[in-house]
Amino acid sequence: DTAVSQTPKYLVTQMGNDKSIKCEQNLGHDTMYWYKQDSKKFLKIMFSYNNKELIINETVPNRFSPKSPDKAHLNLHINSLELGDSAVYFCASSQGWGQGRQPQHFGDGTRLSIL
Amino acid sequence: AQTVTQSQPEMSVQEAETVTLSCTYDTSENNYYLFWYKQPPSRQMILVIRQEAYKQQNATENRFSVNFQKAAKSFSLKISDSQLGDTAMYFCAFMEYNNNDMRFGAGTRLTVKP
Repeated sequence: DTAVSQTPKYLVTQMGNDKSIKCEQNLGHDTMYWYKQDSKKFLKIMFSYNNKELIINETVPNRFSPKSPDKAHLNLHINSLELGDSAVYFCASSQGWGQGRQPQHFGDGTRLSIL
Repeated sequence: AQTVTQSQPEMSVQEAETVTLSCTYDTSENNYYLFWYKQPPSRQMILVIRQEAYKQQNATENRFSVNFQKAAKSFSLKISDSQLGDTAMYFCAFMEYNNNDMRFGAGTRLTVKP
């Protein structure tokens, strides 16, 4: 029944490693997002895909690479992890583009901790 | 670029009382959307209420209502009859009318005391 699901919920790894976070939505939405929430709870958009096409790409290090194999999935791959990457990463989805009346549905977040 | 400001990092309220959380934003756009999201300790992001800028009527969802002042660029959230389950971080967010880029404020941590 979960609308937007992220795996894993928790990820602890060492600096320098490469890791991926997966996101899937079963709402039939065609727009998906990745957000980063830092230790001060500040939430900032990283990427947005509409119909598998990259629409928003904020100033994010190119170590972060989103991949959308289909409209229901938007995975986030991170290379050469750094201490500053420690955060909670949220996936979200919504219907359409330019339709703010369609709310964004969030996953439960993935807490990434870099040792 | 649009900015969203929540000037109250933390607030507390007694159970059953009313509390108002402040939010101001900066934009040159005329049409846009405003949101309040709730993030309880469970970490989920839950949509509380949504306002469309071209609608003058303030949005209401049960115990939650907003005071939308477009000229002042203010969008406050009022929680009536506060419940212990309302304890959470509350984020105000702004989205342009034709753009899904949602910008969040820094959040207000609300504690409801028994």
